Amino acid sequence: RKEVEQDPGPFNVPEGATVAFNCTYSNSASQSFFWYRQDCRKEPKLLMSVYSSGNEDGRFTAQLNRASQYISLLIRDSKLSDSATYLCVVNRHTGTASKLTFGTGTRLQVTL
Amino acid sequence: NAGVMQNPRHLVRRRGQEARLRCSPVKGHSHVYWYRQLPEEGLKFMVYLQKENIIDESGMPKERFSAEFPKEGPSILRIQQVVRGDSAAYFCASSPNYGRREINTIYFGEGSWLTVV
Repeated sequence: RKEVEQDPGPFNVPEGATVAFNCTYSNSASQSFFWYRQDCRKEPKLLMSVYSSGNEDGRFTAQLNRASQYISLLIRDSKLSDSATYLCVVNRHTGTASKLTFGTGTRLQVTL
Repeated sequence: NAGVMQNPRHLVRRRGQEARLRCSPVKGHSHVYWYRQLPEEGLKFMVYLQKENIIDESGMPKERFSAEFPKEGPSILRIQQVVRGDSAAYFCASSPNYGRREINTIYFGEGSWLTVV
């Protein structure tokens, strides 16, 4: 079983739609959680951290359920510029640094 | 990209040649990570280094791959006798030396794209 699992998509949605991505992780020792965005042939960039209390950043809302080991990302009012691959990432501290484990990503295509 | 510099950005090698990828971390960062992304796949952890030390190389292939982060100069990922399956994007990331309980932020470079022909 993969340590971080995501539906690869693609999710094709019209501009203005709301879309939700889910992710599950298998290692209960994971300590922190993130969503990254990766554009084609570019490096991954941090989109937002994910907290159990839920957190929102503009049109983006992230949620963590530790009991179910489940992470979600909701994008409201999708824009063309949201088209990218969204990577679910879990983090374990080992000593004084971190080891990030990436999901394979969910591809989003927003269309006119 | 928060200052992580990778070079070369694109590298073409023939089968059997050596590839050397360089990574200069954000100034002041003492931790370097290498990740590999095969076509249509996610990023896979390869190795984590601190200055002059390999801390975790659990993701490195057992043969032909090596990494270093010397006291002076960039981190180097070296692939000897490359094969077509080594064609991938190699991302370097760095982080500061945060304490254990802090959420670490890792900054990625723009990647080095290796093509083996």
